[in-house]
Order: sequence, then C-alpha cells, then structure tokens
Amino acid sequence: DGGITQSPKYLFRKEGQNVTLSCEQNLNHDAMYWYRQDPGQGLRLIYYSQIVNDFQKGDIAEGYSVSREKKESFPLTVTSAQKNPTAFYLCASSIRVRINAQSGANVLTFGAGSRLTVL
Amino acid sequence: GIQVEQSPPDLILQEGANSTLRCNFSDSVNNLQWFHQNPWGQLINLFYIPSGTKQNGRLSATTVATERYSLLYISSSQTTDSGVYFCAPGALSGNNRLAFGKGNQVVVIP
Repeated sequence: DGGITQSPKYLFRKEGQNVTLSCEQNLNHDAMYWYRQDPGQGLRLIYYSQIVNDFQKGDIAEGYSVSREKKESFPLTVTSAQKNPTAFYLCASSIRVRINAQSGANVLTFGAGSRLTVL
Repeated sequence: GIQVEQSPPDLILQEGANSTLRCNFSDSVNNLQWFHQNPWGQLINLFYIPSGTKQNGRLSATTVATERYSLLYISSSQTTDSGVYFCAPGALSGNNRLAFGKGNQVVVIP
C-alpha cells in the first residue's frame, strides 16, 4: 500500500539534544513538507521541498534543518536552537493537480505524525 | 499571508444529526482542501475543492471562491466523524502554500 511513514511515533529527549524525525513516502510524489502542530492550533509550515536536492523555509524554520537527498525521504532535525520543540510534527507529500496550462495545485497526503516531548 | 477563520470552533452533535462547518478566507485562492484529523492525530484529505461542489458519501463541500468561503456538510453524523476538521486554502499569490485554520472540533455522541 502506498503511503507516508513517519518514525518514531513518540520521542522523548532532554533539552539541548538534537533529534531527527524520519519521513519516507512511496507515493512517487515530488513535493514533501514538514508541519508543526501545537495543542488547539492549526498546522504551521516548517520546511518544504519541491524536488530532490532543493528545499525552502516555511513560516517557522528557525531551529530546524532538513535534507532531501532522495525523492522518497525528507528527514527533519530539531536542533537545540529551537526554543520550544515540544510539539506534534506532521510530514506530508503532494501530487500536483493541473488547474490550467499555466498553473497547478498541490494536493496533500499526510503521515501519522511524530510526537516530540523535550524534558 | 492568507487569513483563515473557521466556525464554529467547537460542535457537539447527536449521532444522526446534520451539520455545516464554515471556512472564511481573506484572499483569492486557486487551491482549497478540507482535512479530518482523528483523535489519534492522523490527517485525512477529504476534499480538494477550489470552487464548486463535491460529494463523497455523507460528506459534501462547497467553495464559493468569489465570496471567499467554503462549507463542509456532514449528514447523518456517526461517532467516527469525531475529530478536528481543517480548512486549508492556498492563495493565488502564495506560491501554492496552504494556510491552515485552527479547525472545527466536532464531537459526535451516541
């Protein structure tokens, strides 16, 4: 079955440690995304990648880093510089839907999420 | 960026009831998606609906892009409909990035 796999599902870390969250997709999607969700809030975009070896900062990139060496994989590192890292992290990938000859829209599929708690 | 307002923020439904969730947005869009987040956190894409009306089983959605709103209808609600519903429009000027509202928290009681 095609889908997005995030691991680990739950992660506990001490303050000051870097952690890396894994995201793998077998949907053959070009674009991948990382979002952060805090309790009672919507999703905020951390980083996104539209193609291998390229990625862009989202709205809250400070304290995070990513890589996109393979189409299937988009790992997120939460560094010690992130001031408030405890959150639910969601990875997504997207298929592009053609709107017209000039433009398209990205339709997202999400993984099950990783819950990070920093003690 | 685009502002998204969803109402009502919280809704309690008796099983079998119908409901309408509303999403207002502040900019012209060429992309709008509705998602359902279940109590375990999984987000499922319900609709890609930048304009017009679509139906999928007991759910349907309508977007009136010229008036900058979208509606999600839930008919004959079931307990499995519980969770948070997110509207996520993408502005024409926004490089295809989606903006998420705070969601509609729905609880369906038996």
